[in-house]
Amino acid sequence: GAVVSQHPSRVICKSGTSVKIECRSLDFQATTMFWYRQFPKQSLMLMATSNEGSKATYEQGVEKDKFLINHASLTLSTLTVTSAHPEDSSFYICSASRLVTGGELFFGEGSRLTVL
Amino acid sequence: KQEVTQIPAALSVPEGENLVLNCSFTDSAIYNLQWFRQDPGKGLTSLLLIQSSQREQTSGRLNASLDKSSGRSTLYIAASQPGDSATYLCATNTGNQFYFGTGTSLTVIP
Repeated sequence: GAVVSQHPSRVICKSGTSVKIECRSLDFQATTMFWYRQFPKQSLMLMATSNEGSKATYEQGVEKDKFLINHASLTLSTLTVTSAHPEDSSFYICSASRLVTGGELFFGEGSRLTVL
Repeated sequence: KQEVTQIPAALSVPEGENLVLNCSFTDSAIYNLQWFRQDPGKGLTSLLLIQSSQREQTSGRLNASLDKSSGRSTLYIAASQPGDSATYLCATNTGNQFYFGTGTSLTVIP
C-alpha cells in the first residue's frame, strides 16, 4: 500500500507556542488530505479536508484560525496549532487519498501533542 | 449524513478462534468501504478496500464482505492470533467524504 509519513510523532510544547505537524505522501500524489483529532478510546474526529492549492474546508466547530492547514503541494499538507493550550493536547492523524472520488485512504502514524 | 455503526464495541476471544466484526451504514450510495486496524497510539493501517461493485475482498486470514443494499459489511478473521489484538474500524467513502465507525476493540487471548 501507499505510504503516508507524519512528523513529528510526539511533541511537547509550552502553552502559547505554535506547533506544526507535517503530513507527506511518499509514493503517490494525494489529491485530498484529511486531518483528524482522536481522543482516548474514541473514534476519529474529522477536523478539515484540504485539497492541493485551495483553502481547507473545516468541520463545524473547528476554529480555522486556531488550526491552520496548508496543502501547498500534492505530497505535503501541514497542520499548525497556533497559540496552543493544554486543551489542544490530543492525538492528531492525517490521511491522504489518491483519487478525487472512490479512492483508498492511507493514514500517517499520528502525532501526539502535549501542551504544558 | 452517513452513520456508521460497529458492533460489538469490544470483543475478547481465545487464540485460534474465527471471528466476525460487523459494520453497518445508513447510506448505501458509497464508492467503497475500507477496513482499518489501529494499534494503541498509532495511526490506522488499511486492511482491505471493497469497491461498491464488489462483494468481498480477501487478504491472508482476513475476508471482508459488502452488502450495499442492506448497508452491511463484515470482517472475518480466521484462526485469530494475539497479534491481531487491536481496534478495527470501518469507513465508507461517499464521494471523498469518509465516515468512520467507532471501532471494535479486539483482544485475542493466548
